[in-house]
Amino acid sequence: AQSVTQLGSHVSVSEGALVLLRCNYSSSVPPYLFWYVQYPNQGLQLLLKYTSAATLVKGINDFEAEFKKSETSFHLTKPSAHMSDAAEYFCAVTSGSNYQLIWGAGTKLIIKP
Amino acid sequence: DAGVIQSPRHEVTEMGQEVTLRCKPISGHDYLFWYRQTMMRGLELLIYFNNNVPIDDSGMPEDRFSAKMPNASFSTLKIQPSEPRDSAVYFCASSLSGAGAQYFGPGTRLLVL
Repeated sequence: AQSVTQLGSHVSVSEGALVLLRCNYSSSVPPYLFWYVQYPNQGLQLLLKYTSAATLVKGINDFEAEFKKSETSFHLTKPSAHMSDAAEYFCAVTSGSNYQLIWGAGTKLIIKP
Repeated sequence: DAGVIQSPRHEVTEMGQEVTLRCKPISGHDYLFWYRQTMMRGLELLIYFNNNVPIDDSGMPEDRFSAKMPNASFSTLKIQPSEPRDSAVYFCASSLSGAGAQYFGPGTRLLVL
């Protein structure tokens, strides 16, 4: 069975600092991986996706994520945090054979001025 | 493209009343998903459709919940009768393929008194 683990329900970084949000998955078949962002009182917005092409995936707003099969990880990074990045971030996985996305519990990113 | 459209954006109703939530997916998308989000349970998949046919409704919590997709551009989620524990944000999402990225609507915030 597939699963997703996001380490840390809350992550706090200073404005301008590196953002690192962790996501580990389990899947018995090659996965498709996604990161979504949810701003307060809004829907989920796709940040980026990995679908077996390049292992380093670039998304919107300077976010990127690297697929590491050996570590079963798909961590999300951004070189320099902005106040506007404060939101909840969700990692999700699907195998392609079952069309359900398996969601992580989410990580709230807090940006300190 | 207008994106996924949901209505109403907010709904306040009394226990026992019927509630109908509406969704218009992105044109050309073959898959439609209904989710529920609460603080306690996070994001839960309720049901999804492929080409207007319900594929998996195992996430529908009770018989009080029903969903239909009469055509490719419209779906409804109905709760009858509603209960206070149904209070949540309900999201509709659509995707071009089952394993592809899902695009979310803004959600319907439901409060059952």
